[in-house]
Amino acid sequence: DAGVIQSPRHEVTEMGQEVTLRCKPISGHDYLFWYRQTMMRGLELLIYFNNNVPIDDSGMPEDRFSAKMPNASFSTLKIQPSEPRDSAVYFCASSSRGPFSGNTIYFGEGSWLTVV
Amino acid sequence: RKEVEQDPGPFNVPEGATVAFNCTYSNSASQSFFWYRQDCRKEPKLLMSVYSSGNEDGRFTAQLNRASQYISLLIRDSKLSDSATYLCVVNIADSSASKIIFGSGTRLSIRP
Repeated sequence: DAGVIQSPRHEVTEMGQEVTLRCKPISGHDYLFWYRQTMMRGLELLIYFNNNVPIDDSGMPEDRFSAKMPNASFSTLKIQPSEPRDSAVYFCASSSRGPFSGNTIYFGEGSWLTVV
Repeated sequence: RKEVEQDPGPFNVPEGATVAFNCTYSNSASQSFFWYRQDCRKEPKLLMSVYSSGNEDGRFTAQLNRASQYISLLIRDSKLSDSATYLCVVNIADSSASKIIFGSGTRLSIRP
């Protein structure tokens, strides 16, 4: 079975450019999460969706970040304009029936973003 | 104070040794607990859930101490392949919301 699929795997972009990260969750999973991981701050939850609806976006750093989930099989995380401090690994993850009830969170392989 | 705290390590132990590390949590509304494993430059993956009575999966044993608010992971007869970062995960459910908090991870390095 296919896991969570993310693209691009690696991106190097210049400061000020728009970055769009894409995610396809595991089929049938109702929850989708966007995380960011850095050495300094560890793994941080940016936003999560339930049935395509954003539930908690309190982790989104600022207005430069936006996330959408137009349907059950696709989500995007957009950074506009990008800054060097946005350099990190961005993980998309999904879960069925809610991870809060103990269900496993499945992560994609991550998108490694470098902003120069 | 962080809601979930782990000793970042690294723990550097010889193959075959037993190693244990803890994770403390501050919110008494924490309900469920997990250990995830993350290999270098890879994504986190579930290692095991932590049950109130403690649980074992092969060489791995997880314990929960609600009174002192910590969970632990014990690895017996460590293998080179156990080298990874181990993330403590806490599910908090209180009157305001549910949320999942990942610890920053403990790095483990097994040497031959």
